Amino acid sequence: KAGVTQTPRYLIKTRGQQVTLSCSPISGHRSVSWYQQTPGQGLQFLFEYFSETQRNKGNFPGRFSGRQFSNSRSEMNVSTLELGDSALYLCASSSSGQPSTEAFFGQGTRLTVV
Amino acid sequence: SQQGEEDPQALSIQEGENATMNCSYKTSINNLQWYRQNSGRGLVHLILIRSNEREKHSGRLRVTLDTSKKSSSLLITASRAADTASYFCATDANDYKLSFGAGTTVTVRA
Repeated sequence: KAGVTQTPRYLIKTRGQQVTLSCSPISGHRSVSWYQQTPGQGLQFLFEYFSETQRNKGNFPGRFSGRQFSNSRSEMNVSTLELGDSALYLCASSSSGQPSTEAFFGQGTRLTVV
Repeated sequence: SQQGEEDPQALSIQEGENATMNCSYKTSINNLQWYRQNSGRGLVHLILIRSNEREKHSGRLRVTLDTSKKSSSLLITASRAADTASYFCATDANDYKLSFGAGTTVTVRA
């Protein structure tokens, strides 16, 4: 079974631009979550989707948005990029997103904002 | 904000020794999970312990959970160079997200 695939792996953007990151979950998994990892703040939850519905959202500004498609693939978008958005963005999928279900993480997208 | 704190922040041990790290959290949980991360790559799931469990084993890993103290520990026995990584605890409070601790960086010296 293929794992969670995130594209692109690396990205360099300029302040003020926008960016879209993609995540393909493990086949059959319907829950996709996104996390931001930075040296200062650690791993922070962004949002979770299940069957195209956002079930939870973290404490991030409205510049951060996401969506999930009918095939469970997910994208997140960051508009008006700031230097502080430089981070490793991780996507995780699970079979149902219910308690007691382990999450499988992708390798991440390393975003650098210059 | 992060749910938990991990202790110690960093740990350096000799190959063959045991490594113990602790995690404390703040709210009631459904389960607690431990993950490993190598050099800023993706997280790998190690073990999940439910709130009604006190101890769990998986290979060289032993996890304990004390819900009265809101704390957990991860023990890695007979460490190997390949165990060099950052280890994170994550709590699931039935809100469709994982809340991660700050992590413990473990270095295993040959």
